[in-house]
Amino acid sequence: QSVLTQPPSVSGAPGQRVTISCTGSSSNIGAGYDVHWYQHLPGTAPKLLIYDNNIRPSGVPDRFSGFRSGTSASLAITGLQAEDEADYYCQSYDNSLNVHAVFGGGTKLTVL
Amino acid sequence: QVQLMESGGGVVQPGRSLTLSCAASGFHFSSYGMHWVRLAPGKGLEWVALIAYDGRNEYYADSVKGRFTISRDNSKNTLSLVMNSLRPEDTAVYYCAKDGSGWDAAWYFDIWGRGTLVTVSS
Repeated sequence: QSVLTQPPSVSGAPGQRVTISCTGSSSNIGAGYDVHWYQHLPGTAPKLLIYDNNIRPSGVPDRFSGFRSGTSASLAITGLQAEDEADYYCQSYDNSLNVHAVFGGGTKLTVL
Repeated sequence: QVQLMESGGGVVQPGRSLTLSCAASGFHFSSYGMHWVRLAPGKGLEWVALIAYDGRNEYYADSVKGRFTISRDNSKNTLSLVMNSLRPEDTAVYYCAKDGSGWDAAWYFDIWGRGTLVTVSS
């Protein structure tokens, strides 16, 4: 069971907007630690999509945006495209003894 | 371009050992902390270990502490993971990943390799 909680799956039609939630606790997101998001297509290297809650690395389209509030965070994808179909993971830091970096369980995005 | 390439995966019996390697290129390797992250079948990503930019500090997930050892050779731009006393639950694709910040670790991963599969089975 993952420390951060994500929905197992979300879906949307091309052009639509979807959001993926990430719920943590007072020892990670709620403690003020930044949230980061990754996109992963099976068989490939995971890709950093958002870091420090809402910053896009160079080359990531502005269709992707992140938000953090309280003990939760979310990733929004607008103008959904077929190529966005992938697994998405949130990640943060946890100050519990010996825990360090923690991930969500991943969300499978299906483009209908 | 910035690249990480893992090697060393394979099938190994429970209780045996295996060493993974990661070759880095395209960035100043000795300035960044480096991590191992794994993805087990049907599960989510799990952080495994971090080694500081200078190799002086190491951190491990509780699930591997005492069994796995992370190391680096900054003269050869390589990262290693020695895995001892392997268990079936260690079966996963293992990724090496570059920390997002130089010097002090930022605890996120901005560059990943494609991974190497480790299967622990009798």
